[in-house]
Amino acid sequence: EIVLTQSPGTLSLSPGERATLSCRASQSVSRSYLAWYQQKPGQAPRLLIYGASNRATGIPDRFSGSGSGTDFTLTISRLEPEDFAVYYCQQYDSSPMYTFGQGTKLEIK
Amino acid sequence: QVQLVQSGGGVVQPGRSLRLSCAASGFTFSSYAMHWVRQAPGKGLEWVALISYDGINKYYADSVKGRFTFSRDNSKNTLYMQMNSLRAEDTAIYYCARAYRGNYRDAFDIWGQGTMVTVSS
Repeated sequence: EIVLTQSPGTLSLSPGERATLSCRASQSVSRSYLAWYQQKPGQAPRLLIYGASNRATGIPDRFSGSGSGTDFTLTISRLEPEDFAVYYCQQYDSSPMYTFGQGTKLEIK
Repeated sequence: QVQLVQSGGGVVQPGRSLRLSCAASGFTFSSYAMHWVRQAPGKGLEWVALISYDGINKYYADSVKGRFTFSRDNSKNTLYMQMNSLRAEDTAIYYCARAYRGNYRDAFDIWGQGTMVTVSS
């Protein structure tokens, strides 16, 4: 099973600042089968990034993903008030054993 | 529009059964692999099960294998999760989700609204 470890657990930033979220895999994720999701309280997760760096439909370009192998990053270039939420990474390389990271909470400073 | 609408859920005693449903609309349901994902209160996301586009192939997380059964009716555009021998640790919000391009190696792009299952005596 591929274990995903996200850091930091909580990130406190202000609107307008840049956010950098990390996701590290216990073994290499081939062909960048890695996704990022955003979840707000009381809502279902929303797909942001797939294939490590491809934005899903309707996702603003302030969201970007990068990385390969075992190290992946989600960057939000300039935080908007609606971006404060919990973010999860997910690998779908070792299907049908899909795993999620434990999440990073992005909170307003 | 493309959406998944869930129903079912509720409070059930340990050892009892429950069935969840997930109705799809706005896309060619029979072309897509589909998933269930759950989230225990205050916790992260846990993948539960996958079903192939035609319903023939099914895969389960070890935590539910042998107790949960995933099925689909492509004539009704609906998914089902039959949950038997429920345990307290099955308490969670359950989400159905679509594989982005219909394949196993895809992210999950459309999610249902979630339905709460509480297992308690």
